[in-house]
Amino acid sequence: QKEVEQNSGPLSVPEGAIASLNCTYSDRGSQSFFWYRQYSGKSPELIMFIYSNGDKEDGRFTAQLNKASQYVSLLIRDSQPSDSATYLCAVNPPGNQFYFGTGTSLTVIP
Amino acid sequence: DTGVSQNPRHKITKRGQNVTFRCDPISEHNRLYWYRQTLGQGPEFLTYFQNEAQLEKSRLLSDRFSAERPKGSFSTLEIQRTEQGDSAMYLCASSLGEGTLNTEAFFGQGTRLTVV
Repeated sequence: QKEVEQNSGPLSVPEGAIASLNCTYSDRGSQSFFWYRQYSGKSPELIMFIYSNGDKEDGRFTAQLNKASQYVSLLIRDSQPSDSATYLCAVNPPGNQFYFGTGTSLTVIP
Repeated sequence: DTGVSQNPRHKITKRGQNVTFRCDPISEHNRLYWYRQTLGQGPEFLTYFQNEAQLEKSRLLSDRFSAERPKGSFSTLEIQRTEQGDSAMYLCASSLGEGTLNTEAFFGQGTRLTVV
């Protein structure tokens, strides 16, 4: 079983819609969770992190964490064409490396 | 620029040659990670340092790969006797950590290796 699982997509949403990206993880001891955005040919760029159960909002982005279900999600409101990228979920178990999912490809259609 | 810096950005080498990549982390970060990424995949862990100590190395990493962080600052990743399967983007990231706690990791621009 992979440490971090994501639906690879592709996910397509119209401009202005809400994009919902999901991630599950296997290590129940994990305490830190991250979302990275990666444009084609570029390195991952951190967009959000979350440590506590519940929601965390930053501008158009909302991260949601449910440790009981071992589930992390990212919502992008008012999606823009510039949001088209691959979104990587990362999990950091205590004292350990960062585990990444394979990423979900998002396309925002103008 | 105080971000993570990697050099070179691109490297083309012939099969069988050795290559070395350098990573300069964010200055106050004590943890440094190397990842490899191929098309359509997420970053795959290679190795991880806390200060100058190499704390973890992927079991998938062949003995052709070696990494150092001699003074706890910059790090180098060397691949000996390169193979075509080594062609990938090599990513370095750094974070600030103490015990089980870790801040977010920031990535450098990556080094794209092509083995011909």
